[in-house]
Amino acid sequence: KQEVTQIPAALSVPEGENLVLNCSFTDSAIYNLQWFRQDPGKGLTSLLLIQSSQREQTSGRLNASLDKSSGRSTLYIAASQPGDSATYLCAGGIQGAQKLVFGQGTRLTINP
Amino acid sequence: SQTIHQWPATLVQPVGSPLSLECTVEGTSNPNLYWYRQAAGRGLQLLFYSVGIGQISSEVPQNLSASRPQDRQFILSSKKLLLSDSGFYLCAWSVNRPSGNTIYFGEGSWLTVV
Repeated sequence: KQEVTQIPAALSVPEGENLVLNCSFTDSAIYNLQWFRQDPGKGLTSLLLIQSSQREQTSGRLNASLDKSSGRSTLYIAASQPGDSATYLCAGGIQGAQKLVFGQGTRLTINP
Repeated sequence: SQTIHQWPATLVQPVGSPLSLECTVEGTSNPNLYWYRQAAGRGLQLLFYSVGIGQISSEVPQNLSASRPQDRQFILSSKKLLLSDSGFYLCAWSVNRPSGNTIYFGEGSWLTVV
């Protein structure tokens, strides 16, 4: 059974810092790994999707990596801004990517 | 472009009353459809998913049911709500692509059972 864990549960950093959010999963037979952003009271917005055959994906100031052998993914945010404040969730795709198993999320606060 | 609509956005229902949340997807065909629930402090839990009309897979035993009467319509229902059904319900869709199945979420429905 795939389990996804995100540490820390909450993170507060000053504006401008580079930061890393961590995601770990138990089953290395992961189909893909997806990172989402969720603003309070809103739905989820997809940020990056990494296929199991890939090692990383980049979009703007965001870079996500995937290491299947160690069961880890990281989301790197460069030059953080107050607008980056949100909850970030990672999810592992299983069973032909028809289902995703989510972590509990990391609540990120960027202080001006 | 593809869009997903979910309604109602908020709902307050008494215990024992029925529930119907509706979700529709536009701009794509034969999507995979999902219902997730996000309860406080419990993360996102997959409730149901569907790969086609009339095909529903249930992930957890519960007081809820799902139906897919049309290709791009997914409905979450209950005959009698429990207090524990309160939460944030999210509909989502994806399509099978060689490049990967990105999943897209609706804006969610807040359900409070009183």
